[in-house]
Amino acid sequence: TQLLEQSPQFLSIQEGENLTVYCNSSSVFSSLQWYRQEPGEGPVLLVTVVTGGEVKKLKRLTFQFGDARKDSSLHITAAQPGDTGLYLCAGADDKIIFGKGTRLHILP
Amino acid sequence: DAGVIQSPRHEVTEMGQEVTLRCKPISGHNSLFWYRQTMMRGLELLIYFNNNVPIDDSGMPEDRFSAKMPNASFSTLKIQPSEPRDSAVYFCASNPGGYTEAFFGQGTRLTVV
Repeated sequence: TQLLEQSPQFLSIQEGENLTVYCNSSSVFSSLQWYRQEPGEGPVLLVTVVTGGEVKKLKRLTFQFGDARKDSSLHITAAQPGDTGLYLCAGADDKIIFGKGTRLHILP
Repeated sequence: DAGVIQSPRHEVTEMGQEVTLRCKPISGHNSLFWYRQTMMRGLELLIYFNNNVPIDDSGMPEDRFSAKMPNASFSTLKIQPSEPRDSAVYFCASNPGGYTEAFFGQGTRLTVV
């Protein structure tokens, strides 16, 4: 069974602080994807990482992919209330399997 | 393109009734996925289709659940009979295939009372 473990499950921090959330996979996928989901909506893709050691930046968000292609992290710099949401990592081959997510709440 | 379209957005039904959820994927996408999301279990893959053919239905919880994709532009997920533990948000997603991005619909919130 392919599993993706995300930590922490919940995170509540003050606006302006930095944070990191993690995703660890039990197996190697063709790609690893990060999504954000807001209440009442479906998940929306933030980034896809494919190559071990890869680092991608999306404004204040930095995504890292481990050399073994089984672990990944998402770092947010100077968090803002608009970053609030559920962050999901997913392993993708022909099918796409999701972790349970990190529910992030940024306090103004 | 309008994106992935799901209907209904909300469904409340009594235990034992049949429920049918509908999905129209993005035109040209070859793969279609059905997921179920709950707080306890997260976003679970129920079944996925490639070129209208069911490829992996190992996530379908019981025989009460069935899914069809009669053509490239329509899929259904049916629960018969429904039970209170089926209450969840059900998402449909599609992608061009391979390990590309999944595009999600807005989901159907199902409540079985």
